[in-house]
Amino acid sequence: DAKTTQPPSMDCAEGRAANLPCNHSTISGNEYVYWYRQIHSQGPQYIIHGLKNNETNEMASLIITEDRKSSTLILPHATLRDTAVYYCIVRVAGGTSYGKLTFGQGTILTVHP
Amino acid sequence: NAGVMQNPRHLVRRRGQEARLRCSPMKGHSHVYWYRQLPEEGLKFMVYLQKENIIDESGMPKERFSAEFPKEGPSILRIQQVVRGDSAAYFCASSPRRDREGYGYTFGSGTRLTVV
Repeated sequence: DAKTTQPPSMDCAEGRAANLPCNHSTISGNEYVYWYRQIHSQGPQYIIHGLKNNETNEMASLIITEDRKSSTLILPHATLRDTAVYYCIVRVAGGTSYGKLTFGQGTILTVHP
Repeated sequence: NAGVMQNPRHLVRRRGQEARLRCSPMKGHSHVYWYRQLPEEGLKFMVYLQKENIIDESGMPKERFSAEFPKEGPSILRIQQVVRGDSAAYFCASSPRRDREGYGYTFGSGTRLTVV
């Protein structure tokens, strides 16, 4: 699975959009981009994933660049409860690597009042 | 529809004892994954199981650790003769099928094991 690079920490004001970047310059054509978050002491929570098109769900939007070498997770209106570690993970769906998510250090997002 | 249930939430064991961690996947999910998070470290994959089968155990320590997912009942992660270095949060995740098209896994709240 391709490696990812994320900033170690970011701040955001409550009510503002939080834009979390992720670089995955070695991504392969069959690898998806996944985002999870881990709120303190809880299990990771799936947010969103995509292959090459931009995706949106009730939690967030995922913008993937045309060359697929980077992506941005957008939380449109951040709240204090969005304070968490956010993980960007790139992996093949299916095949022999299924099931294994490789978590990096992630980005600690702190939402301020 | 209950989520992934892990118990106990907290487990304290003395060095040398056995620890049994249980994971009940979401209803309809037949694939279970175990991850470990050591203090101040990231989550590390341990093992992937389907009902009655171990699919990938590449992240399991070679000794003292075992996992099973019987036809009936929860998945069990078993740690024999625990040592202080086993103190960690152990998370279980489940999915309904092989991840052919990309799917988000549902994680449980974890079991925090403390070895004293």
